[in-house]
Amino acid sequence: GDSVTQTEGQVTVSESKSLIINCTYSTTSIAYPNLFWYVRYPGEGLQLLLKVITAGQKGSSRGFEATYNKETTSFHLQKASVQESDSAVYYCALGEGNAGAKLTFGGGTRLTVRP
Amino acid sequence: NSKVIQTPRYLVKGQGQKAKMRCIPEKGHPVVFWYQQNKNNEFKFLINFQNQEVLQQIDMTEKRFSAECPSNSPCSLEIQSSEAGDSALYLCASTKTGGAAETLYFGSGTRLTVL
Repeated sequence: GDSVTQTEGQVTVSESKSLIINCTYSTTSIAYPNLFWYVRYPGEGLQLLLKVITAGQKGSSRGFEATYNKETTSFHLQKASVQESDSAVYYCALGEGNAGAKLTFGGGTRLTVRP
Repeated sequence: NSKVIQTPRYLVKGQGQKAKMRCIPEKGHPVVFWYQQNKNNEFKFLINFQNQEVLQQIDMTEKRFSAECPSNSPCSLEIQSSEAGDSALYLCASTKTGGAAETLYFGSGTRLTVL
């Protein structure tokens, strides 16, 4: 089956510092899945942060970036300079190639940005 | 911002009781997903629909869980006989085509507590 692994359950970073949240995936159903980062800000619902559907490409949004690396089966989320408003829970997810297909989510990483 | 509406926000039931929650997808989104997110932040796909037709569902859903998306009415997820292990956040999401690269738009969820 498919799986997504986020190694850090919680990350604390000081404002203006850089961030990396690790995500690796494994899939038996499709060679090149679609990859997503979703985010849940405090008091809000889960929403898409960015997605990449082509291996080797990079996605970006709100200063965050993630590169689809098929060699290392990774999709790490990075930001050069975090802000307090980035404090949230971030979920890496994998989508299969079929219409109507479900997402497989990682366990989430809670980011706390210290002022 | 997502316009998927889920009700109720909180639901408390005793073991063996029925638990029913509703979801109004975004306008123009015929594909609806239900996910269960447990206290460990793990997501479990339950079922998805295109209009009124079931696309995929897991075995658990077939036994105690029932769901429907009737025309011109909210979608619903019902647990016939609640168990303690059903305590979780139930998330509804909708999308336009259900394609694997599509963005899912999530509601805020219904938090079920089974006493």
